[in-house]
Amino acid sequence: QQQVKQSPQSLIVQKGGISIINCAYENTAFDYFPWYQQFPGKGPALLIAIRPDVSEKKEGRFTISFNKSAKQFSLHIMDSQPGDSATYFCAASMKSGTYKYIFGTGTRLKVLA
Amino acid sequence: EAGVAQSPRYKIIEKRQSVAFWCNPISGHATLYWYQQILGQGPKLLIQFQNNGVVDDSQLPKDRFSAERLKGVDSTLKIQPAKLEDSAVYLCASSSLGTGAKDEQFFGPGTRLTVL
Repeated sequence: QQQVKQSPQSLIVQKGGISIINCAYENTAFDYFPWYQQFPGKGPALLIAIRPDVSEKKEGRFTISFNKSAKQFSLHIMDSQPGDSATYFCAASMKSGTYKYIFGTGTRLKVLA
Repeated sequence: EAGVAQSPRYKIIEKRQSVAFWCNPISGHATLYWYQQILGQGPKLLIQFQNNGVVDDSQLPKDRFSAERLKGVDSTLKIQPAKLEDSAVYLCASSSLGTGAKDEQFFGPGTRLTVL
């Protein structure tokens, strides 16, 4: 119930294409869903986050789509660039309790020039 | 604003040896987290502090791992004795803990531990 399942494990996209990463969760108590971006040798950094009261959130080229009934959320990267090549992690947490994050297993994205 | 600082950045030890990692969170952040990130996996929470008190250590292998956060600021994570399976990146994160934007956790660069 505490798991967050992420797919695909790796993704190769052409420059200018759309990158899509999917996550699914079981625990309906989760109410905060961030996406983190991690470059080699660096710690993860928050990219964009969403709460379940909205179905979509967009920040620049990055969009989160959220489907509460299906317990799924996804990250869309529009006009993907080589600089977007990194590992992306979805996560989930609960407002009550300790706010701890449960991370997905990560998606390694490579954008070809 | 300075980010989360961690040291050392890299550590190589023999199995059964001891090792300690240090973390200094962002100034004013009451909540501090230690994560273990095994190669190819997402970060896994080991322990969470609120000021200098532990709020979650359910996934900390307490027979060999210990952590403290004296004075509610910086923190140390110790492994004694280390096993081969402890090879991972140890990430420290901090947050101001609350609702809305304050849910964000800020991560340090991590310490890469190799146990031989």
